[in-house]
Amino acid sequence: GESVGLHLPTLSVQEGDNSIINCAYSNSASDYFIWYKQESGKGPQFIIDIRSNMDKRQGQRVTVLLNKTVKHLSLQIAATQPGDSAVYFCAENMTGRRALTFGSGTRLQVQP
Amino acid sequence: DARVTQTPRHKVTEMGQEVTMRCQPILGHNTVFWYRQTMMQGLELLAYFRNRAPLDDSGMPKDRFSAEMPDATLATLKIQPSEPRDSAVYFCASGLLADTQYFGPGTRLTVL
Repeated sequence: GESVGLHLPTLSVQEGDNSIINCAYSNSASDYFIWYKQESGKGPQFIIDIRSNMDKRQGQRVTVLLNKTVKHLSLQIAATQPGDSAVYFCAENMTGRRALTFGSGTRLQVQP
Repeated sequence: DARVTQTPRHKVTEMGQEVTMRCQPILGHNTVFWYRQTMMQGLELLAYFRNRAPLDDSGMPKDRFSAEMPDATLATLKIQPSEPRDSAVYFCASGLLADTQYFGPGTRLTVL
């Protein structure tokens, strides 16, 4: 398991701005990636996923970008809203491995 | 709207008591995970099952923790005897294979 500690990196944005949350992964063999959102008092909620044969995938107001060369994953949230305030986790897996590996969380704070 | 359910949502108990947490995975999911989340350690994988068979429980303290799946609709995590250091939020997640996992709301355990 990875850290969700007292010293989570925090991203503070104004309502309506776009947010970019970054994640570095270490396993170059990972071929599946997920972003989760965790609101206070709730379980992590699936947002969007991407496989390694893609470098971009779009959802509703969210876009995930994958750069395999530098092992970097990002989550872009368009027109950020107060309801987007949460901790965001990336997770990775590779074919044949049994469970996801979760990355460190990032706290997103949306200022009204 | 299929969801993972967990009971109880909150549990306060005294050191030495037995604690049983229950999880109902999403119907049709064949993989169930148990996680523990604390401020200091983040999200830790305790155990997981596929088709009701335990695949990995290396994350669990073996002397006091046990996890079972009596049937496809119920997973249990038991702590006996409980200790204050077990205080955490325990999440169950279910999915198909080891890819996308859908989390329950968690059981917040406080051991006094």
